Amino acid sequence: DAGITQSPRHKVTETGTPVTLRCHQTENHRYMYWYRQDPGHGLRLIHYSYGVKDTDKGEVSDGYSVSRSKTEDFLLTLESATSSQTSVYFCAISESTAHETQYFGPGTRLLVL
Amino acid sequence: SQQGEEDPQALSIQEGENATMNCSYKTSINNLQWYRQNSGRGLVHLILIRSNEREKHSGRLRVTLDTSKKSSSLLITASRAADTASYFCATGNQGGKLIFGQGTELSVKP
Repeated sequence: DAGITQSPRHKVTETGTPVTLRCHQTENHRYMYWYRQDPGHGLRLIHYSYGVKDTDKGEVSDGYSVSRSKTEDFLLTLESATSSQTSVYFCAISESTAHETQYFGPGTRLLVL
Repeated sequence: SQQGEEDPQALSIQEGENATMNCSYKTSINNLQWYRQNSGRGLVHLILIRSNEREKHSGRLRVTLDTSKKSSSLLITASRAADTASYFCATGNQGGKLIFGQGTELSVKP
């Protein structure tokens, strides 16, 4: 998985609780992304980062925030989890401009009860 | 909303047969990429074709791109049971982000 790890790999939480997912890369790639994957919707971009402390919104950013204080780490936070945020979350990285090849992490399965 | 739409949504073939998947998109692109996802795993990049290219090969994979029809196809020749996976197209454009389709589920029966 191209030196990308995600933690935790599985999480069950309750509605209203905050959740933070971590993506860690060892490739020193500039761009990092968070996607969610849901049946019938494919992969949808939540947020992405084009450098340390530089982030921007994706297609489905409501209810999510991100932070990137180091090149290697990109955090996704659900401030107050809802059942609609039950999903599989993937982190991805790319070396150059954002529309070139992306390399994906193994994913985090999140269940919000 | 998704830019790329794959067709068919599901495809079941026998080992040794060829598998063809199609992707259509709506806006202009810089490149189109194909990814594979095995069950429970992350996506793996297969091939990238740029908007000024018409065909590209990688091993048993052949990708074509027709920008006039805004469509691409992925051909897997002599399929194997290990090719069983979901296949996604993704378009890259000047907006700087990849937009993924919903995928084709390929099942290759031994």
